[in-house]
Amino acid sequence: AQKVTQAQTEISVVEKEDVTLDCVYETRDTTYYLFWYKQPPSGELVFLIRRNSFDEQNEISGRYSWNFQKSTSSFNFTITASQVVDSAVYFCALSEAPTDKLIFGTGTRLQVFP
Amino acid sequence: ETGVTQSPTHLIKTRGQQVTLRCSSQSGHNTVSWYQQALGQGPQFIFQYYREEENGRGNFPPRFSGLQFPNYSSELNVNALELDDSALYLCASSGAQDTQYFGPGTRLTVL
Repeated sequence: AQKVTQAQTEISVVEKEDVTLDCVYETRDTTYYLFWYKQPPSGELVFLIRRNSFDEQNEISGRYSWNFQKSTSSFNFTITASQVVDSAVYFCALSEAPTDKLIFGTGTRLQVFP
Repeated sequence: ETGVTQSPTHLIKTRGQQVTLRCSSQSGHNTVSWYQQALGQGPQFIFQYYREEENGRGNFPPRFSGLQFPNYSSELNVNALELDDSALYLCASSGAQDTQYFGPGTRLTVL
């Protein structure tokens, strides 16, 4: 069965600290996609990144970076120099063929204090 | 480009009632997926519509039903509401096998 595990329920940091959010997934598919979404208090899920299973290259976008390792079935997300506006719940998700329905983890609540 | 919109924003119903939630997909998207997010949990897939046909369903009872219209907007209907149906209902639209973009959600409270 496909599953996404986010073991960190809540993380608190002080502004400018770096923080890494962990994501471990399980799937039998050889082709799949992994995602990260951000959910601020307003509730809307904001898309951050999509990565396919054949592309293990790490990606950097501004202060955000993602580390995809198939060998450990992990897709971790790092925020460098965190800011108060980064405070939100972050979800990792796996898409399942053929509908591409998303299977979400339970989320990690990140609190960044000034 | 207009994003995904949902209505209403909030809704309060009583047990046994029926509810209809609405979603307008992003321009150019022909697929709509619905998710239920209980408090403190990740979203759970309810079903997906592609070109007006149901294209997959999660582990939800038949009293959860949906429709997709020719303009790709969609409705989620829930009959015989139960207390456990209280949740944030999220709609997402996408192109075929593409990234899903979410609307702001409808918060349903069942009393």
